[in-house]
Amino acid sequence: KAGVTQTPRYLIKTRGQQVTLSCSPISGHRSVSWYQQTPGQGLQFLFEYFSETQRNKGNFPGRFSGRQFSNSRSEMNVSTLELGDSALYLCASSLGDGQNQPQHFGDGTRLSIL
Amino acid sequence: GENVEQHPSTLSVQEGDSAVIKCTYSDSASNYFPWYKQELGKRPQLIIDIRSNVGEKKDQRIAVTLNKTAKHFSLHITETQPEDSAVYFCAASIGFQKLVFGTGTRLLVSP
Repeated sequence: KAGVTQTPRYLIKTRGQQVTLSCSPISGHRSVSWYQQTPGQGLQFLFEYFSETQRNKGNFPGRFSGRQFSNSRSEMNVSTLELGDSALYLCASSLGDGQNQPQHFGDGTRLSIL
Repeated sequence: GENVEQHPSTLSVQEGDSAVIKCTYSDSASNYFPWYKQELGKRPQLIIDIRSNVGEKKDQRIAVTLNKTAKHFSLHITETQPEDSAVYFCAASIGFQKLVFGTGTRLLVSP
């Protein structure tokens, strides 16, 4: 079974631009969660989608948004990019049925803001 | 909100020794505690998890213990090997797939 796939692997943007990241979950998984990983703040939860609905949201500004499609693939969008948005963005998928199913991570998208 | 503290930040052991990493969580409603291993430049990999209705779980050389009263859980690695060298993260969740992570422990196993 293929793992979680994230595209692109690397992105370089400038301040003020916007970016869209993509995540394809493991086949059969209906939940996709997004996390931001930085050396200073560690791993922080952004949001989680299940059956095209956002079920939970972390403490990030409204510039960070996401969506999920009917095939469970998910996208994350960051608008008006700031230098502090430079990070590794990880998505994780799980079955999603019931609470606390094991989450499996993709390789991430490394976003650099110039 | 939920907070997870993790200690130590760095741990150096000799091959064959045991390693213990400890985490404390703040929200008594937390009921799921996974551990992830992240090698340099790679994805976090789930190595073991435990639910709040279980006190201990083992998988070969890895074990996790949970003390709900103290809101404390630990990862134990026995007979460490150089390939165990990585950053280990603990996490806690109260539901709906929102994991709150500890700050990570860099484990170095020397041959």
